[in-house]
Amino acid sequence: GENVEQHPSTLSVQEGDSAVIKCTYSDSASNYFPWYKQELGKGPQLIIDIRSNVGEKKDQRIAVTLNKTAKHFSLHITETQPEDSAVYFCAAYSSNTGNQFYFGTGTSLTVIP
Amino acid sequence: DVKVTQSSRYLVKRTGEKVFLECVQDMDHENMFWYRQDPGLGLRLIYFSYDVKMKEKGDIPEGYSVSREKKERFSLILESASTNQTSMYLCASSSSGVSYNEQFFGPGTRLTVL
Repeated sequence: GENVEQHPSTLSVQEGDSAVIKCTYSDSASNYFPWYKQELGKGPQLIIDIRSNVGEKKDQRIAVTLNKTAKHFSLHITETQPEDSAVYFCAAYSSNTGNQFYFGTGTSLTVIP
Repeated sequence: DVKVTQSSRYLVKRTGEKVFLECVQDMDHENMFWYRQDPGLGLRLIYFSYDVKMKEKGDIPEGYSVSREKKERFSLILESASTNQTSMYLCASSSSGVSYNEQFFGPGTRLTVL
């Protein structure tokens, strides 16, 4: 099956700085890569996603990049704010695995005011 | 507003007890999932279902079973709870339509087995 690795496991940044979280995957058939944000006491919520036919996608302060050749994708948060503090998960999906997503191990982001 | 609800936020059970975790979604989604979340391990898929009465094993099905008698409800069953099943359990659902990929999660059930 797919193997998704995520780094770093914890990340602290000053408010206003940028944060970058990186993931790698193993299955070259994976074609959909979502990012989820999990706030304390809540379930994960989709914040941005990218499909394999696109190299980059932006949504205000959040962007995701995908390098299919290298099998890695990254989440970029610019101008971080305290409310960005949460656990972030990357995931990969392949039609080869039915409806199953494979999640990374999560990154706990702390934005220091 | 789309919603996935889970029957309990916190649950404490004793070793050997039979435990039922219930999940209900109101989005008419075909697919439903049960994950467990542990520190440093991320989300691991236990079981999923793509239709009523259908189920598929995920990566860690041992010690668990599921039931899907109605489209909106997906139950996770621990036949005989053990301490290593202490964890956060997350339910999710998704559509099989064109926008099939996004999974919507419930708030989770933190289960402690003593």
